[in-house]
Amino acid sequence: GAVVSQHPSWVICKSGTSVKIECRSLDFQATTMFWYRQFPKQSLMLMATSNEGSKATYEQGVEKDKFLINHASLTLSTLTVTSAHPEDSSFYICSAGTGPGPYNEQFFGPGTRLTVL
Amino acid sequence: AQSVTQPDIHITVSEGASLELRCNYSYGATPYLFWYVQSPGQGLQLLLKYFSGDTLVQGIKGFEAEFKRSQSSFNLRKPSVHWSDAAEYFCAQGDMRFGAGTRLTVKP
Repeated sequence: GAVVSQHPSWVICKSGTSVKIECRSLDFQATTMFWYRQFPKQSLMLMATSNEGSKATYEQGVEKDKFLINHASLTLSTLTVTSAHPEDSSFYICSAGTGPGPYNEQFFGPGTRLTVL
Repeated sequence: AQSVTQPDIHITVSEGASLELRCNYSYGATPYLFWYVQSPGQGLQLLLKYFSGDTLVQGIKGFEAEFKRSQSSFNLRKPSVHWSDAAEYFCAQGDMRFGAGTRLTVKP
């Protein structure tokens, strides 16, 4: 199957700093990428959907200015957690697909664990 | 709103025993449904999906799921569990919203 990578796999930062997480589709062009947040022993919460070349669509309750998503190319999407605080500590997962919706299979990255001190 | 529910948070089965993980959906029309498995350190992997047609869906790793409209269910099954099947299993629907997950423990 297709491969999606995330970098870094884990990051520790101080409160108030910004952290960028990269999501790359390694062997296919991803027109759509999804970003999720997963708390310990909980499900994935969809944060936003990004389509290449356009603004991301955020889920209700997700702060757009806090979680900046950029999908500048067909193989790369980034999530920047701005002015991170301890409550932003979580496991962030991206998925990438050749299109939106259920007909286009989404391939998941291994996730990035963010710890904010 | 559309949603999927996984009633069982944690299930323990013995190796070699059969397995059934429950998933219930709430959606009027025929939903698009998926089962994913999440192992530590690895990304979620698609086990199988249902869009339409045959209600018994075969997936990878010996898993299958049956779509039952009358029960609003899409339960995942495997006839004989292997120790390597221990993981977190998620049911999801077409708009990429996930159930709470079921953690599977396999006893030797």
